[in-house]
Amino acid sequence: ETGVTQTPRHLVMGMTNKKSLKCEQHLGHNAMYWYKQSAKKPLELMFVYSLEERVENNSVPSRFSPECPNSSHLFLHLHTLQPEDSALYLCASSPSGGIYGYTFGSGTRLTVV
Amino acid sequence: AQKVTQAQTEISVVEKEDVTLDCVYETRDTTYYLFWYKQPPSGELVFLIRRNSFDEQNEISGRYSWNFQKSTSSFNFTITASQVVDSAVYFCALSNRGGSQGNLIFGKGTKLSVKP
Repeated sequence: ETGVTQTPRHLVMGMTNKKSLKCEQHLGHNAMYWYKQSAKKPLELMFVYSLEERVENNSVPSRFSPECPNSSHLFLHLHTLQPEDSALYLCASSPSGGIYGYTFGSGTRLTVV
Repeated sequence: AQKVTQAQTEISVVEKEDVTLDCVYETRDTTYYLFWYKQPPSGELVFLIRRNSFDEQNEISGRYSWNFQKSTSSFNFTITASQVVDSAVYFCALSNRGGSQGNLIFGKGTKLSVKP
């Protein structure tokens, strides 16, 4: 399998639930990213991992918890979310930083009820 | 500071019309990279093109063409003879560094609707 794969494609969760989003890449890339895309604020960078180490956290609330167990996998653990967290969550990877561009997954459409 | 501005929020055209999507960027670096991505309704951002700051040659790929002008800090994207399948949100992006801190800076996107 090639490219960046995200699961699930759609997720509906209650505010008290705990769920996780998964991202997987088989491109040999060293960096992985989580983006949030909502109608009000398109493409907000949430987290950056480089060689499995978190190198950026853009003031994201603690109810979002990323995990990068290896260079091919990235998770976003969700707990006690709010309705305003409903958005498209996109994962991306790159060989090293941004100069080569990113390869994006198809995203997870999250609805918090 | 780096910044990418896509002033056109939404554009609507009729099939077969030509359309140009504008992108203006700001950076103090002399070496940088510019990108265009397409996001169809399915959600995935699809890479279209990458240019470095030392290559000002315009590029054409089928119905797509890009005009890079350093003098005006612009990297505009033209679709010739638009088709319904071109309907998507298009993002312009900028990066000036490699390594872990060289993140892409995205514009807010331009939503293109092509009507039959």
